[in-house]
Amino acid sequence: AQSVAQPEDQVNVAEGNPLTVKCTYSVSGNPYLFWYVQYPNRGLQFLLKYITGDNLVKGSYGFEAEFNKSQTSFHLKKPSALVSDSALYFCAVRARYSGNTPLVFGKGTRLSVIA
Amino acid sequence: NAGVTQTPKFQVLKTGQSMTLQCAQDMNHNSMYWYRQDPGMGLRLIYYSASEGTTDKGEVPNGYNVSRLNKREFSLRLESAAPSQTSVYFCASTVTGDSNQPQHFGDGTRLSIL
Repeated sequence: AQSVAQPEDQVNVAEGNPLTVKCTYSVSGNPYLFWYVQYPNRGLQFLLKYITGDNLVKGSYGFEAEFNKSQTSFHLKKPSALVSDSALYFCAVRARYSGNTPLVFGKGTRLSVIA
Repeated sequence: NAGVTQTPKFQVLKTGQSMTLQCAQDMNHNSMYWYRQDPGMGLRLIYYSASEGTTDKGEVPNGYNVSRLNKREFSLRLESAAPSQTSVYFCASTVTGDSNQPQHFGDGTRLSIL
């Protein structure tokens, strides 16, 4: 079975400070991992993904994520937060070579960046 | 660049009424999905269609039916709406269900059942 945990419902950070949104996963075998962002009254937008290779993945809007196989984590990071980064963030996973098994999403973490 | 289009954007129903939510994508994707989003619950998969002509149940299929009308369109039907089905519904699509490509989402249908 596949699962994703986002242990924090809410993350607050001051503008200009680094931010981290945590994600841990459980799959059989190697994972495909994704981060999405949702702004109010909008659908989810793709930010970045890990497939294979370099453990540090760079994505849209200056976000990056670090894949850690031993800790089964895929934390989202940004060196300097902006107020406009305030949104709901979702981590998602599916196992490689799992056929058409759909993505499993975490429950989401609300990021609030304070000016 | 329309992407994934959902109609309607908002709807209010009375308990027991029926309703079809429409979804269309113009990216030539093979796989399509219906989710519901509720506070504190994240996204829960209702049904999905890995390819034209196939549909499968997700995590929360009870009370819903789907139709993959053609490659572009995937509709979700509530036959007899219940207040527990008040939610925001999202449609998504991707190239194929077994790929590493991301899903693309519509902007949702906000449904209230009174």
